[in-house]
Order: sequence, then structure tokens, then C-alpha cells
Amino acid sequence: GAGVSQSPSNKVTEKGKDVELRCDPISGHTALYWYRQRLGQGLEFLIYFQGNSAPDKSGLPSDRFSAERTGESVSTLTIQRTQQEDSAVYLCASSPDRDYGYTFGSGTRLTVV
Amino acid sequence: TQLLEQSPQFLSIQEGENLTVYCNSSSVFSSLQWYRQEPGEGPVLLVTVVTGGEVKKLKRLTFQFGDARKDSSLHITAAQPGDTGLYLCAGVPGYSTLTFGKGTMLLVSP
Repeated sequence: GAGVSQSPSNKVTEKGKDVELRCDPISGHTALYWYRQRLGQGLEFLIYFQGNSAPDKSGLPSDRFSAERTGESVSTLTIQRTQQEDSAVYLCASSPDRDYGYTFGSGTRLTVV
Repeated sequence: TQLLEQSPQFLSIQEGENLTVYCNSSSVFSSLQWYRQEPGEGPVLLVTVVTGGEVKKLKRLTFQFGDARKDSSLHITAAQPGDTGLYLCAGVPGYSTLTFGKGTMLLVSP
């Protein structure tokens, strides 16, 4: 596709359940970021993938959060045993190179009830 | 401590007014990016500035990168309601990750 695609667009889950969020980056983009944005807040860095290098996981808030990316394709962000404070919009962005501008998806709005 | 400080946090103006928003840091950036985010959407890239002192114009928007590559500004001339949104600056300090400021929320009323 022409842009970054994220699915689902909305997810409501019960506290304690696991969720998996998906990001399809633009073809050929080697750099991929996941961010979290709470209501009325800025973007909080979660994890960064660059090509086949080891990902930078320094932004993951707890060991309940994990992410994978196979090569330069799809990435999934998994949150285990969800908590209410995990409620936020999760944004994915990709770029041809780390210093280029990024194209964002529309995000997944996660609500934990 | 916020690496990129944006000011003001919120700006409410009338259509036709001019405005400037700022993005400041004590760190040097190889480049800075400006994004605009509308409700329910992801941020959209407006511009990337790379060279110290660089000025880029995008219609009514003028972006400037400081000579020392530590700060940037966005000036909007004759603001329109369609300019309403959250303006975010972002950059990669050194070999770190893409970091965002908290943004300036702009509201332009007709």
C-alpha cells in the first residue's frame, strides 16, 4: 500500500487479557518505530527497528510489552496481561532511513476495561 | 527532563493572524522534523531541516533551523482554520532514537 497500515484501528479488551497490534510499514522502509500517545499527551517512544540490527527496546515500559519485526516487513506489538494504564493510542511509523522524515499510521486506539 | 522543549503549549488565535512556535534543546541534532497531528490521526510530516541556519518555506509556513542545530521555529502567516492541530517537532540526538517534543496545540478560529 501507499502508506503505513495499522490494525485493528480500535481495540477494547478486558484487564488481564493479551493484545497484539499490527503494523504494515511502507515497502522498502528499513526504519520502524512504535510510539504510545495517551490522551492529550505527546508521543512516548517504545521501540525502534532498523534493518536487521538488534532493536532498541529501551522505551518499553515493562516486561509485559514486546515487539517483533521480521526483516523489513510487518511488525507486531504485544501487550500481555493488559492494565488500565495501557489504554492509549499506539502509533507506528516507518522511514527509508533513521534521519529521514517518518510516515505514521493512523494508530490503534486501545481501551482496557 | 524533556529533550525537546516546545513553546507555547497552547495557542488560540483568530483567522488571519501570524504566529510562531518554538522548539528548543540543549542538544545538537543532525536534523529536526516538524509534524502536524489532527484528532484521530497519526502525525503527518511537514518538513525536515538539516543544515544549520536553513530556512524552508511551505506555502504560508516558514521553518528555520538554528545555526547551532539546537533549535527550530515554525512561523505561520495569515493562519487559517485548516491550520488547527498539534504541531510536533522531533529529532535524533546523536545515535539515539527519534524524540518528540510535547507539541504546541494551535486553534485557529474563523
